[in-house]
Amino acid sequence: DVKVTQSSRYLVKRTGEKVFLECVQDMDHENMFWYRQDPGLGLRLIYFSYDVKMKEKGDIPEGYSVSREKKERFSLILESASTNQTSMYLCASGLAGVMGGETQYFGPGTRLLVL
Amino acid sequence: DAKTTQPTSMDCAEGRAANLPCNHSTISGNEYVYWYRQIHSQGPQYIIHGLKNNETNEMASLIITEDRKSSTLILPHATLRDTAVYYCIVRVGAGNTPLVFGKGTRLSVIA
Repeated sequence: DVKVTQSSRYLVKRTGEKVFLECVQDMDHENMFWYRQDPGLGLRLIYFSYDVKMKEKGDIPEGYSVSREKKERFSLILESASTNQTSMYLCASGLAGVMGGETQYFGPGTRLLVL
Repeated sequence: DAKTTQPTSMDCAEGRAANLPCNHSTISGNEYVYWYRQIHSQGPQYIIHGLKNNETNEMASLIITEDRKSSTLILPHATLRDTAVYYCIVRVGAGNTPLVFGKGTRLSVIA
């Protein structure tokens, strides 16, 4: 079975702190994604990566950066955490594929509270 | 924006089939229909996907109309553990195309 793990289920940080959220997948997937989920807004894409050291902005990249030094690991960085970044953060991975029809697999999520 | 329309909520009696509809009238020829679900406080879980033929796996069946403008996800014998938000997503191309989630359908399975 595909396994996507996230470093923490729950995290509490203070405003202004630098925050690292780690995601690891064990299926040799090329693509990895970071989403955030908020009540009433659904899931929104922050960043994604389709190869090591490659990254693409999603719909809401402001206030975030990412790092993909190894294929299996995709990190989301909050440079200076703010209260409006309190959210559930979800990581996903999937095969690149060229024919279409590839699925994405999600981790359990990290619920971040910024005080 | 999501390209699909789903009812906001549905109820289903335990042990009965749950039929969740989805409209995707602007779907393109190379777009797949995906279904995911999200149980409270967990990450979304992949259920099934299809292009134009009906599909079945151990979790569900997917029925796509001939004109591909709508589809139905069928959970043949719903259990309480199937209570979740179900998302219908249309997506084009290769796996590096992100998923765009709408608001989904909140399915409540009732004992």
